[in-house]
Amino acid sequence: NAGVTQTPKFQVLKTGQSMTLQCAQDMNHNSMYWYRQDPGMGLRLIYYSASEGTTDKGEVPNGYNVSRLNKREFSLRLESAAPSQTSVYFCASHLIEDPYGYTFGSGTRLTVV
Amino acid sequence: GDSVTQMEGPVTLSEEAFLTINCTYTATGYPSLFWYVQYPGEGLQLLLKATKADDKGSNKGFEATYRKETTSFHLEKGSVQVSDSAVYFCALSRARGSNYKLTFGKGTLLTVNP
Repeated sequence: NAGVTQTPKFQVLKTGQSMTLQCAQDMNHNSMYWYRQDPGMGLRLIYYSASEGTTDKGEVPNGYNVSRLNKREFSLRLESAAPSQTSVYFCASHLIEDPYGYTFGSGTRLTVV
Repeated sequence: GDSVTQMEGPVTLSEEAFLTINCTYTATGYPSLFWYVQYPGEGLQLLLKATKADDKGSNKGFEATYRKETTSFHLEKGSVQVSDSAVYFCALSRARGSNYKLTFGKGTLLTVNP
């Protein structure tokens, strides 16, 4: 099915461990985003990539890095996980020509203990 | 900076009741406005949108009108169903170069009882 695929769906990390959250879309979208969702906070932008080859910080980038590997894939890396990074992470994408046509993935639920 | 304020939840209604979820925004220029819905365990889905003042977005019986004079985009439905139980997010998007990032409200949990 066409859409945004995130892996893994669930992950438990120990404080200080590292991991990479994967996101891939097969809709030929240019722009891709990583958001985190916390109770009572809505979704907050971590990083985004307006087009292949570019990445920029969002509201809450500290503790994260991203890689726009190619047009399809946009990964989010936690180098040294902290309990404050316990959250649900969503990847999203859209065509530059259709800025209202966001498609969201189903999320990765990350717990840092 | 841009911000979205939406009514605190949770909201609990009986089936066939009238729903209003208030949303106001702060942004320069002319943002586009959205309502997204998140069903349990799923990602966000676009429910409706409005891209200019006085536009009315509608979908699945839900409606919202872009009111620039009151900077509001309230969500309404005349008769809710149990299947409408979800979290609803108001959001805005404003172009900054080639970036159209969304700014979200905190979300409102709606529970509809039979």
